This record gives sequence, C-alpha cells and structure tokens, in this order.
Amino acid sequence: GAVVSQHPSRVICKSGTSVKIECRSLDFQATTMFWYRQFPKQSLMLMATSNEGSKATYEQGVEKDKFLINHASLTLSTLTVTSAHPEDSSFYICSARVGPMNTEAFFGQGTRLTVV
Amino acid sequence: RKEVEQDPGPFNVPEGATVAFNCTYSNSASQSFFWYRQDCRKEPKLLMSVYSSGNEDGRFTAQLNRASQYISLLIRDSKLSDSATYLCVVSRLDSSASKIIFGSGTRLSIRP
Repeated sequence: GAVVSQHPSRVICKSGTSVKIECRSLDFQATTMFWYRQFPKQSLMLMATSNEGSKATYEQGVEKDKFLINHASLTLSTLTVTSAHPEDSSFYICSARVGPMNTEAFFGQGTRLTVV
Repeated sequence: RKEVEQDPGPFNVPEGATVAFNCTYSNSASQSFFWYRQDCRKEPKLLMSVYSSGNEDGRFTAQLNRASQYISLLIRDSKLSDSATYLCVVSRLDSSASKIIFGSGTRLSIRP
C-alpha cells in the first residue's frame, strides 16, 4: 500500500523552543494531508487539514500561530510546534489519502513529542 | 457531543469468543466509513471499509445503517492478536474540503 513517512519518531525539547515534524508521501502525491494529535488513552483529534499550495484549515480550538503548517509540495507537509510547552507533549500523527473520500487514509508512524 | 461516538470498553473476552462493537455518527453528511485498528503507541491501520450493503472479510463483518447513522463491527472466533483499539472513522466534506473524523476507540483485550 501507499507509504507515508513521518520524521522524527521521537523528540524531546526544552520548553520555549520550536519543533518541526515532517510528513512525506513516498510513492504518491497528496494534495491534502491531515494532522492529528493523540493524548494518552484518547482518540486522534484532528488538528488541521494541510492543503498543497494554500493555507491550512484549522479545527476549532487549535491555534494556527502555534501550530504552523506548511504544505509546499505534493509530497511534503510540515507541522511546526512553536514555543512548545509541556502541555504540548503528545503523539502527533499525519495522514494522507491516495484518492477520494471513500479511499483508505494512510498514516505516518507518528511523532512522540516530550517538552521538558 | 462527539461527532463519532463509540463505547470505550475495555472489552475483555476469551479467545474464540465473538465480540461486537458499535459506533454512531451525528453528521448526516458523512459519506464514507471505516474501521481502523490501532496497537499501543502505533499508528492506526485500516481494518476494513464499511459499505451500505454490509461487508465481510474473514472473521470480521462490518455493517452500516445510514438511516440510524450507526456502524458496527463483529469479530468472530477472536484471536489473541486481535487485542487492540478499534477506531470507528467517518469521512465527509466540510466546506468542500474532506475531513476524516475518528471515534474515541474501543479497547479490546483477548485473554487465553
């Protein structure tokens, strides 16, 4: 199946610093990618929809100035957590679909962010 | 109220048992439906799509009732390897952009 690669898989950073997470579609072009956050024992919460060549669409309650999304090409979307705080510690995961809405979404391996 | 609701479980059943999960969704504009499986600290992976006519894949059977906005997953002859969290997933359009919405997941634990 299609492959979505996410990097890094694990990052520990100091409070106040910024962290960039990359999501790549390796064998297909993704005009749309999705970014999720998952806290322990909770489900994936959609943070934003990343659109190639245009601004991301953020879900209600997600600060767009804190979670910067860039989708500069058809195979790469990045999520930057700016001025990270301990409460931002979470599992961040990206997803992309190969085709239309009724097709499978493939997920990156996820990034476990710990802010100390 | 969450857009996609699931019984969180956990379900703890013996190997070989049959177990059923339910899911309801609130947005009638939802168009596509899936069950994903997520193992601890891993990314979700597609288990099966759910079609209006119902569909089966080996020991797994999924059903969709659009009128009731209800989705189900049945696992027969459960195996130890079926232990995981099962996520009900709905896809729909929102202002011409597609969205994938996850339920909170149902945890399943199969005991020997």
